[in-house]
Amino acid sequence: QQQVKQSPQSLIVQKGGISIINCAYENTAFDYFPWYQQFPGKGPALLIAIRPDVSEKKEGRFTISFNKSAKQFSLHIMDSQPGDSATYFCAASAILTGGGNKLTFGTGTQLKVEL
Amino acid sequence: ETGVTQTPRHLVMGMTNKKSLKCEQHLGHNAMYWYKQSAKKPLELMFVYNFKEQTENNSVPSRFSPECPNSSHLFLHLHTLQPEDSALYLCASSQRPGQGPTEAFFGQGTRLTVV
Repeated sequence: QQQVKQSPQSLIVQKGGISIINCAYENTAFDYFPWYQQFPGKGPALLIAIRPDVSEKKEGRFTISFNKSAKQFSLHIMDSQPGDSATYFCAASAILTGGGNKLTFGTGTQLKVEL
Repeated sequence: ETGVTQTPRHLVMGMTNKKSLKCEQHLGHNAMYWYKQSAKKPLELMFVYNFKEQTENNSVPSRFSPECPNSSHLFLHLHTLQPEDSALYLCASSQRPGQGPTEAFFGQGTRLTVV
């Protein structure tokens, strides 16, 4: 049972174009939605995150759009650059009763930005 | 450098071996996590520790045994593993909810190969 569905699995974008990755979730207990970027041989690194009381968050070229009623959120990368080529994971977080957070991840999107 | 250090970076072990993965965080966080990353699958949460206490065991087989002696160190003891256990094992840490950001910071992972 996959609680966070991510699409597309892979994406090729021209330099300067817009990259769009979509995610959908089911569990309404999720209260925090981060996006992670992972380069080969590295662990995932937090890119940008949003809470469900906000519909959009922008940091530089990266924007999260959040639709609470539809239980969907997306990552937009404006002016995509070859250095953005990486695997992107959406995630949804819920607080654990005993403490800590449980992150549920999407399956990832391999982004390639071509010159 | 995320402040979460994992050793070793690579490990090859036989099915009858016993080995341990180590994780250390220098961020003053209270919660620590083990995740498993396999090809073509979402990152899977394995264990959560909060203030040294285990708060989540995501139905992980007993051949994986975690240990958290303090809030800065986390171990994953491995014994009689199977080839399908080959994966990237990621450690992460986060601040306790209510005490700051809840983002998870990941180490670079241990690439485990079981032969």
